[in-house]
Amino acid sequence: QQPVQSPQAVILREGEDAVINCSSSKALYSVHWYRQKHGEAPIFLMILLKGGEQKGHDKISASFNEKKQQSSLYLTASQLSYSGTYFCGTETGNQFYFGTGTSLTVIP
Amino acid sequence: ETGVTQTPRHLVMGMTNKKSLKCEQHLGHNAMYWYKQSAKKPLELMFVYSLEERVENNSVPSRFSPECPNSSHLFLHLHTLQPEDSALYLCASSQGDRQSYEQYFGPGTRLTVT
Repeated sequence: QQPVQSPQAVILREGEDAVINCSSSKALYSVHWYRQKHGEAPIFLMILLKGGEQKGHDKISASFNEKKQQSSLYLTASQLSYSGTYFCGTETGNQFYFGTGTSLTVIP
Repeated sequence: ETGVTQTPRHLVMGMTNKKSLKCEQHLGHNAMYWYKQSAKKPLELMFVYSLEERVENNSVPSRFSPECPNSSHLFLHLHTLQPEDSALYLCASSQGDRQSYEQYFGPGTRLTVT
């Protein structure tokens, strides 16, 4: 029931783009994205609600494909500060589960 | 203080000890959560409190005992823990009582059971 994230880990050079995917086996009502830097608390990034909307701020955006029951997080022109573990959280009916996370490392 | 705070940040305890973790939120939220975060595993929800009442308990062993004396404070009392309970314990709060609301996390308590 927990969503599956891919890739599990990715290494980027500063300025490169990345996509992180989150897939569910159940119909989704909403998808949430969080980022956790090593030794710190997870920080909320955005919520996407059913309806296929796309959201974003700065150079981080996300899409939600209701039919495919998946969401993608897009990081463009990555910065060193983007490094961390990205978690999706999925709401299906009255259940909510976090994914296993994607470790993203941006190097100079 | 702002946001969500947790104390202690690190804790080492033996299997026969009794200790407590403390969480405090300064956001005026109505709901508070305890999560367990182990390496290579997703965040596991342990308990949810809404307006000081427990609304969810995800089959957590009785050696973990939560307490929510008011909407700003949450405790996790620990006794006779096992080595596999070693993990990062995160507290979170949200305006509404469902995880689908934006959650604000504390920095966590790194627990080691010896």
